[in-house]
Amino acid sequence: GESVGLHLPTLSVQEGDNSIINCAYSNSASDYFIWYKQESGKGPQFIIDIRSNMDKRQGQRVTVLLNKTVKHLSLQIAATQPGDSAVYFCAESTGANSKLTFGKGITLSVRP
Amino acid sequence: GAVVSQHPSRVICKSGTSVKIECRSLDFQATTMFWYRQFPKKSLMLMATSNEGSKATYEQGVEKDKFLINHASLTLSTLTVTSAHPEDSSFYICSAETGVANEAFFGQGTRLTVV
Repeated sequence: GESVGLHLPTLSVQEGDNSIINCAYSNSASDYFIWYKQESGKGPQFIIDIRSNMDKRQGQRVTVLLNKTVKHLSLQIAATQPGDSAVYFCAESTGANSKLTFGKGITLSVRP
Repeated sequence: GAVVSQHPSRVICKSGTSVKIECRSLDFQATTMFWYRQFPKKSLMLMATSNEGSKATYEQGVEKDKFLINHASLTLSTLTVTSAHPEDSSFYICSAETGVANEAFFGQGTRLTVV
């Protein structure tokens, strides 16, 4: 069936370096994508989103890239900080529905 | 962003009892809310879509008589885990749709432990 998945389960980066978290999706009908950050014992926190009519969107220290040709989504975090340590999920939806399909999650660990 | 509040944040109950979890949108009205379940070190799994004033839509494999959902007002949806068993222990998370295309915010989650 359709799925959204992540390539790597864990990512360890040095504080101050840039982080890149990747996500593959298989539903070609998906037209809205979101990155969430989840800290231990808490609900997901919205980071950034992108619609399928765009290929790049920037926020504060974060950039999301969308490659519809290969169904690939990435989250780039600039100057990674210890507070960025968390589990990151990509999620996708179709149409105006807010029903989300989540990827498996990747743990970002920031080394001091 | 909009605020979604879940209560309780943690609950421990005895096997065979029922537990109610509340999801409230504090500063907006939500005609649609979603309930997710998350196992340790796993992703979120959608359980059901809660629609104000109508029956919830359950995902395949989710027992509607086990997980009762009520969405009686535009700011409150409840999930009741009936006759809870240890395998129901999990992290339950709700989200509420703001009405702006695709926009939804998550509650802080409820850790349920059935002993």
